[in-house]
Amino acid sequence: RKEVEQDPGPFNVPEGATVAFNCTYSNSASQSFFWYRQDCRKEPKLLMSVYSSGNEDGRFTAQLNRASQYISLLIRDSKLSDSATYLCVVRYMDSNYQLIWGAGTKLIIKP
Amino acid sequence: EAGVTQSPTHLIKTRGQQATLRCSPISGHTSVYWYQQALGLGLQFLLWYDEGEERNRGNFPPRFSGRQFPNYSSELNVNALELEDSALYLCASSPPAEIKQYFGPGTRLTVT
Repeated sequence: RKEVEQDPGPFNVPEGATVAFNCTYSNSASQSFFWYRQDCRKEPKLLMSVYSSGNEDGRFTAQLNRASQYISLLIRDSKLSDSATYLCVVRYMDSNYQLIWGAGTKLIIKP
Repeated sequence: EAGVTQSPTHLIKTRGQQATLRCSPISGHTSVYWYQQALGLGLQFLLWYDEGEERNRGNFPPRFSGRQFPNYSSELNVNALELEDSALYLCASSPPAEIKQYFGPGTRLTVT
């Protein structure tokens, strides 16, 4: 089983819709969580950190469920520019700052 | 503030050759990470350097090696290139004691 798993998609979503995807992690000692965004043939860029109480940044909401060991990303009022691959990233307490990366979920927003 | 830079942008080599990739971190960042991203796949952790020392290594053969210089820039060397080494090689840096990583644009290595 992979340490960090994501549905590869693609998720095809009409513009303006709400879309959500999850990421599951296997190590219960995971400490920090992030969502990165990667555009086609570009480098990953930090989208947002995920806090225990959940957090929101504009149209983006991230949530953490420690009991079920998953994090989620919700995008409201999706824009064409949201089309990208969303990478889930986890850091374990014992990994000495090493991040474990999911393979990403591809999102395609259609007009 | 300048971001992470990588050179070259593209590199074409033939099987059996050696490749050297370079990375300059953001000013003030002491850690450098190297990742391999094959087409359509996720990031695979290669190496982590901090303060000039190798701190961690991913599940790659010894022909993948590197170093970090006193100015915190880093070099990734891949010896005896194989066709499956063709990928985007990403470098990321982070400040001392911070988790978040900031990525460079990558070097696209093609092995023919």
